[in-house]
Amino acid sequence: GAVVSQHPSRVICKSGTSVKIECRSLDFQATTMFWYRQFPKQSLMLMATSNEGSKATYEQGVEKDKFLINHASLTLSTLTVTSAHPEDSSFYICSASVANYGYTFGSGTRLTVV
Amino acid sequence: QKEVEQNSGPLSVPEGAIASLNCTYSDRGSQSFFWYRQYSGKSPELIMSIYSNGDKEDGRFTAQLNKASQYVSLLIRDSQPSDSATYLCAVNLASGGSYIPTFGRGTSLIVHP
Repeated sequence: GAVVSQHPSRVICKSGTSVKIECRSLDFQATTMFWYRQFPKQSLMLMATSNEGSKATYEQGVEKDKFLINHASLTLSTLTVTSAHPEDSSFYICSASVANYGYTFGSGTRLTVV
Repeated sequence: QKEVEQNSGPLSVPEGAIASLNCTYSDRGSQSFFWYRQYSGKSPELIMSIYSNGDKEDGRFTAQLNKASQYVSLLIRDSQPSDSATYLCAVNLASGGSYIPTFGRGTSLIVHP
């Protein structure tokens, strides 16, 4: 149980385009979803906390107009990287809090902007 | 600044040995602690969670928590080459009335045959 499905697993896009990443909780309701970014050999950096039905809370230094987060239902949260640039190339991971379990992670999305 | 600190390593141990991974945290109010394993290019997977002082054992893994010292550790007995990965310590830190999972930078473990 407590599975989060994340898609796509890998995407290559041209600079200036937008990319949408989806995370779905398959067998539970995720009222809160966390979005992380991880650069090579570095730790997970929390970008934003997504709450169902309300605006996401962004961490300091994360541009909310560039990283659009939508959490319209209890099972789906999306992250859209708008006007992507090469420096946005990273590993993006979502996770959801599961009662009495901790946090379960999606499989991650490797974004490469060329 | 509320933080979770880990030695980045790498920690190298021979196969069959005990690997000891350590983590300290700054927020005395933290109540929930987690250890994750992350293989290169993959997302983290939960190994252990611990909420009260003392030891918690699960197979070859033992988590140890000392809230007075703000210290949590993970012991891996009979280490195997397949245990080679980065181990992330995570702590729920209070933030604006809720708890946010905060990760250390991870310790790289290498188990050599």
